[in-house]
Amino acid sequence: DAGVIQSPRHEVTEMGQEVTLRCKPISGHDYLFWYRQTMMRGLELLIYFNNNVPIDDSGMPEDRFSAKMPNASFSTLKIQPSEPRDSAVYFCASSLTSGGQETQYFGPGTRLLVL
Amino acid sequence: AQSVTQLGSHVSVSEGALVLLRCNYSSSVPPYLFWYVQYPNQGLQLLLKYTSAATLVKGINGFEAEFKKSETSFHLTKPSAHMSDAAEYFCAVSLSGYALNFGKGTSLLVTP
Repeated sequence: DAGVIQSPRHEVTEMGQEVTLRCKPISGHDYLFWYRQTMMRGLELLIYFNNNVPIDDSGMPEDRFSAKMPNASFSTLKIQPSEPRDSAVYFCASSLTSGGQETQYFGPGTRLLVL
Repeated sequence: AQSVTQLGSHVSVSEGALVLLRCNYSSSVPPYLFWYVQYPNQGLQLLLKYTSAATLVKGINGFEAEFKKSETSFHLTKPSAHMSDAAEYFCAVSLSGYALNFGKGTSLLVTP
């Protein structure tokens, strides 16, 4: 299995530009999570989906952030307009409901720098 | 809400020495607890998880953790550190089994 795939791995953009981060979960997994990692705030859950439906988006910092999951194999996290304080590493993770305590599998992350 | 506190943002041990990374949780009901490891420029990888089946949990790479309800702790240990263990370690808690709440992380440095 290829694992969770994220693209791009690195993104440098200017303040005010739109940024789109992409994630392909592990095939067959029914949960997908977006996290943000910064030095100041650590790892924060932004939003998660179950069977392509957003379940909890209370971690999304503000309206500039949006996430979609149009199908089981693809999700996007969009920031519009971007600001320097959005600079962080964004991780996507997926898991499979199995009746027990599910393990989340993380992608390699997208390192975003907003100038 | 459930949360975890990792004591010590940086821990340094000598190669071959005991590794002890501390994690305390806050939860009104028995939680699910996890330890993840993050190597530089990589995503997080599960080391081990507690799901109430056994209080002593063994994970990958020789790590283990013990759930102690009386102390609300889930400390991570390894008898003998290797240079390759140098990484960032995260404790996490979950009630629902889905959304994880991570600690701030502990950076482990292993010296020769």
